[in-house]
Amino acid sequence: GNSVTQMEGPVTLSEEAFLTINCTYTATGYPSLFWYVQYPGEGLQLLLKATKADDKGSNKGFEATYRKETTSFHLEKGSVQVSDSAVYFCALPSSGSARQLTFGSGTQLTVLP
Amino acid sequence: GAGVSQSPSNKVTEKGKDVELRCDPISGHTALYWYRQSLGQGLEFLIYFQGNSAPDKSGLPSDRFSAERTGGSVSTLTIQRTQQEDSAVYLCASSLMGAGNTEAFFGQGTRLTVV
Repeated sequence: GNSVTQMEGPVTLSEEAFLTINCTYTATGYPSLFWYVQYPGEGLQLLLKATKADDKGSNKGFEATYRKETTSFHLEKGSVQVSDSAVYFCALPSSGSARQLTFGSGTQLTVLP
Repeated sequence: GAGVSQSPSNKVTEKGKDVELRCDPISGHTALYWYRQSLGQGLEFLIYFQGNSAPDKSGLPSDRFSAERTGGSVSTLTIQRTQQEDSAVYLCASSLMGAGNTEAFFGQGTRLTVV
């Protein structure tokens, strides 16, 4: 089945710093790729997605580009805010026909004022 | 509310007791998922429902775990004879179609502690 390897945390940054959270995947074919975010005390929510190679997903200042050459989907933000403190999960469908997602182990981000 | 609702939010139970966790998905969502999140770990897939049927139960860790969904809506995850290693946050999610194609919406989870 498909799998995803995510950069281990925790990550601590100062406000306005540049953020990169690495995610690489192993998959059959070219499945959609997702980043989910879990804010403190809340359920996971979709942050962004890309449905095909070279697509760029973006939302709330975050971006991730679907790169098939490097099998990567790294999450980036140019200037983080305290409110971005959360756990970030990279995900993809478990297999070609699967309806469920396989998630990475999550990366805890803390942004200090 | 319009989101996925899980109850209870917290459950403390004694080892060996049975527990039931409930999930109310978003109305109209045909797909429903249960995941388990242990401390410091990622999300572990447990089971997936399409309507009332469960085409994929591959993630259930043992025969002590079972789940059902009735009326294409509410789902219950039952853990029999709980063990300390069952302690985790149990997350439910629903989506309009499969989560590989459409957004999955998650509840806030049930934190289960087995003492």
